[in-house]
Parts: sequence; C-alpha cells; structure tokens
Amino acid sequence: DAKTTQPTSMDCAEGRAANLPCNHSTISGNEYVYWYRQIHSQGPQYIIHGLKNNETNEMASLIITEDRKSSTLILPHATLRDTAVYYCIVSVLTGANSKLTFGKGITLSVRP
Amino acid sequence: DAGVIQSPRHEVTEMGQEVTLRCKPISGHNSLFWYRQTMMRGLELLIYFNNNVPIDDSGMPEDRFSAKMPNASFSTLKIQPSEPRDSAVYFCATRGRGRDNEQFFGPGTRLTVL
Repeated sequence: DAKTTQPTSMDCAEGRAANLPCNHSTISGNEYVYWYRQIHSQGPQYIIHGLKNNETNEMASLIITEDRKSSTLILPHATLRDTAVYYCIVSVLTGANSKLTFGKGITLSVRP
Repeated sequence: DAGVIQSPRHEVTEMGQEVTLRCKPISGHNSLFWYRQTMMRGLELLIYFNNNVPIDDSGMPEDRFSAKMPNASFSTLKIQPSEPRDSAVYFCATRGRGRDNEQFFGPGTRLTVL
C-alpha cells in the first residue's frame, strides 16, 4: 500500500538542475512529505521535508503543489556525488505513527 | 558527535547460529529504529522504540527476531536461530526529541548467513 509513486530512474548532466517528481494523491491533511536519499552502500540520509509551503535548505528545494497531491525535489546544481536512490515518503510529524515507510525510490544518475 | 554507531559492520555466520547486532544512538536522541534492507524487499522497518519502550514491532518478521533497548545508549537486534533468508543489511536509525522525523542512520551491518 505505497503512499507515494516515483519513476524508477532518471539521469541528468552534472551542473544542471535535477527535478525529481513524486505523486502522493492520497496524502492526509496532517502528513508531511519527506525526502531521503541513499548513496550506494550507505545508510539513508535526510534531505528535506514540508507540509504545504515550498521549502529550501542547503541541500535542495521542495516544491509541493497547492492540492498537495504531488511534489518535486530540486537539486539545483547536481554533482556526481548526488548519484543515489531518492525516496519520497509521506508521514505524520510526531507520535506513534511517525515512522517512515520507504518505497523503491528513484535512482538518479548524474553524468559527467 | 560520532553519529549512530553499529557493530559489527560485517557478520558472516552459519545457519542456526545466534546473531546479535548492536546500535549506539546519537547522544540525546530518544527514538530508535531498526531496518532491514534486501534487494527483493527494499528497506523495511522492523521495530522502533521511543524512550526505550517498543512502540511498533509489526515489522518483525517472526519469533526468531527480538530487539531490546535496555537504556538510552544501547540497543540490540537478535536473530536466533539465523537462516540464510535473514541475509541483509541491517540499519539502525535514531531521532532526536521533537526533530520532525529527521532520522539519522548508522552505516549498517551486512549479515550473511550461510
């Protein structure tokens, strides 16, 4: 019962923006959108999260549509080190149900 | 801070043996999660603790698996007896109080059961 759907893979050129889409059409009002990534052989790494407003940090930007049914993670200037599997997850913020359910994610390949 | 510490990093054992995986959370973090990752099933949550108390163990595959958190600085995941299908990478992750579901993952333990 995946709550999010993502393309299987995508690639982009080094130095260009990488736009990773995610659909979450059944998201509840109290659920946030989280993005994590997993570089080969490492544990997942938190990137960013948001509720309904767009968010930006030193790693990426998160754009959430007004109806909250989809979002896009933007890596503004992709580098080779950004090659990884990126997971889009919806979850409540706190409480007993605030756990992360990882799907298959999208494999981003950054090419030189 | 050293981050989440897991030991051992690699474990090779024979079917039927007991396996114990260990995790030391980041100091001050009050939630701890155990995950398992395989090619077939992806990254699965096995169990998570809040303030040393197990909150949700619905992901624990069967009675052969058990997890404990005797104090805020230490957790174990035990498999007894181990089977070849338990071969996977096991990750421990922790989260600070009120930290908006930002989990910090350890490097993982790669378990191979022959």
